[in-house]
Amino acid sequence: DAGVTQSPTHLIKTRGQQVTLRCSPISGHKSVSWYQQVLGQGPQFIFQYYEKEERGRGNFPDRFSARQFPNYSSELNVNALLLGDSALYLCASSLVFRTVKTNSPLHFGNGTRLTVT
Amino acid sequence: ELKVEQNPLFLSMQEGKNYTIYCNYSTTSDRLYWYRQDPGKSLESLFVLLSNGAVKQEGRLMASLDTKARLSTLHITAAVHDLSATYFCAVDQETSGSRLTFGEGTQLTVNP
Repeated sequence: DAGVTQSPTHLIKTRGQQVTLRCSPISGHKSVSWYQQVLGQGPQFIFQYYEKEERGRGNFPDRFSARQFPNYSSELNVNALLLGDSALYLCASSLVFRTVKTNSPLHFGNGTRLTVT
Repeated sequence: ELKVEQNPLFLSMQEGKNYTIYCNYSTTSDRLYWYRQDPGKSLESLFVLLSNGAVKQEGRLMASLDTKARLSTLHITAAVHDLSATYFCAVDQETSGSRLTFGEGTQLTVNP
């Protein structure tokens, strides 16, 4: 079975531009989350979507937005890019909305490496 | 605000030796994960710990959870070079949905 797939794998943008990152969850998974991992740090939560609705948002500015489609794939959009947005963006999927009390981990994709110059 | 702290952040050890990575977190949580990340790669799930006293083992790695002390450990037994990677603990605090808060990571290098 295919895992979580993300595209593109690498992206170079200049400051002020806009970017869209894409994620396809594992088949049957209805929840998609986005994380930002700056080099040398642990990932930070950006959004969770479940059944096409936003269910959680981390401490990120409004320049960051996302959506989930009827097929459960998701897009992350970042407007007005800053140098500090350079990071690995990870998408994770899970079978259920609330993973607490289950053995089901979040399954991460290979990420999109975004470089802002 | 939930804080997750790992130590050490950098660990260099020789093959065959044992060592422990520690993960402390600041508020109560129902679930703790350990992930492995190789350079330039994504996160690979190692363990999910659900309850106080939980212990899980896979090969040379063993993870445990003490919810009263808000502490998890990842113990490495007889390290081999293939274990070289960055290890993250993450705590799931969310009362609705799922939101992981990660530690800074422990970069492990196992030398021949």
